[in-house]
Amino acid sequence: GAVVSQHPSRVICKSGTSVKIECRSLDFQATTMFWYRQFPKQSLMLMATSNEGSKATYEQGVEKDKFLINHASLTLSTLTVTSAHPEDSSFYICSARVRLASPADVEQFFGPGTRLTVL
Amino acid sequence: RKEVEQDPGPFNVPEGATVAFNCTYSNSASQSFFWYRQDCRKEPKLLMSVYSSGNEDGRFTAQLNRASQYISLLIRDSKLSDSATYLCVVNIRGTSGTYKYIFGTGTRLKVLA
Repeated sequence: GAVVSQHPSRVICKSGTSVKIECRSLDFQATTMFWYRQFPKQSLMLMATSNEGSKATYEQGVEKDKFLINHASLTLSTLTVTSAHPEDSSFYICSARVRLASPADVEQFFGPGTRLTVL
Repeated sequence: RKEVEQDPGPFNVPEGATVAFNCTYSNSASQSFFWYRQDCRKEPKLLMSVYSSGNEDGRFTAQLNRASQYISLLIRDSKLSDSATYLCVVNIRGTSGTYKYIFGTGTRLKVLA
């Protein structure tokens, strides 16, 4: 299957700092990338959908000014958690979509995730 | 009501057992369906897509009932390595027109020696 990388895999930062997470599709061009957050013992919650060259679409309840998403190319999307606080500590996972026969017939490939701990 | 609902478990079963997981979804316009597997502290990995006609991949069988908005996964002859969380995933069209995955809370399986 297609490969998606994330960097860094783990980050520990102080409260108030900003953290940037990169998501790359390594062997394919991703028309759409998604950012998810997963708290312990909970499922993945979609934060935002990112299309190359356009503004991200955020899910209800996700602050777009706090979670900045940039999708500069068909192989790279970044998520910046601005002014991080302890409650932002979570597992952040990106995924990239490969379009198949129809818009609804798609498969997503997930990155390995970034574990953020805010002290 | 959650868009995708699963029994969180845990399901503790002996090796060799057959175990079934169920999932219901609320959006009748859902387009496609998947089962993903997630190991602890790892990303989800696709286990199998789910088709209306039902499909099988080795020890795994998935079924979809669109009328009841219900998806199932059957694992036969459970192995220790099957221990993981199984996520039911529904692909729906968002308000922006882009299709997106909605994940269930996951069902935790532990296969015991």
